[in-house]
Amino acid sequence: DTGVSQDPRHKITKRGQNVTFRCDPISEHNRLYWYRQTLGQGPEFLTYFQNEAQLEKSRLLSDRFSAERPKGSFSTLEIQRTEQGDSAMYLCASSPEAFFGQGTRLTVV
Amino acid sequence: LAKTTQPISMDSYEGQEVNITCSHNNIATNDYITWYQQFPSQGPRFIIQGYKTKVTNEVASLFIPADRKSSTLSLPRVSLSDTAVYYCLRGGSYIPTFGRGTSLIVHP
Repeated sequence: DTGVSQDPRHKITKRGQNVTFRCDPISEHNRLYWYRQTLGQGPEFLTYFQNEAQLEKSRLLSDRFSAERPKGSFSTLEIQRTEQGDSAMYLCASSPEAFFGQGTRLTVV
Repeated sequence: LAKTTQPISMDSYEGQEVNITCSHNNIATNDYITWYQQFPSQGPRFIIQGYKTKVTNEVASLFIPADRKSSTLSLPRVSLSDTAVYYCLRGGSYIPTFGRGTSLIVHP
């Protein structure tokens, strides 16, 4: 048990639908990261929060993606108008030492 | 982005010691080396971190030579459950950056 909780663990959605994932970091960690991982690849950085401030976003984070971290606690990642290419494992991590959650497996059909 | 180079795959047998080497020629003065382990359908798990010389914990050892251009993760007496992907990361930055990692398969 790493202490980082992600919900849901699995999500199947139809193309064009919106989906939202939640991450609850370790309570005393002020940094929170979102990553995306596809089969055979390492995790790819999407975005990073320091407390409630979103400090950096990857080019991978298109305008269909939005992330929030209200009050510097849990975070949500929303994907609008999902595409089949969005199918991946979405990972959340919190720091100082990067502890990862179990991830949310998204399948877009 | 911080770049490292490591073998794509390795094979070993139960009870053997496994050494996975990572190259990081352009390592910066304030960069640490961190290794993660990842099982299928799980998030990466921190294994060990070091700056120079040798670091050992209950899971692994990390050897970093004086020039710090490479590092070696050593797993003593591997078991089948050590079959996983191992990632080497360099950075003093705040964004852990992953490559493709090394897929280790431990055979009976």
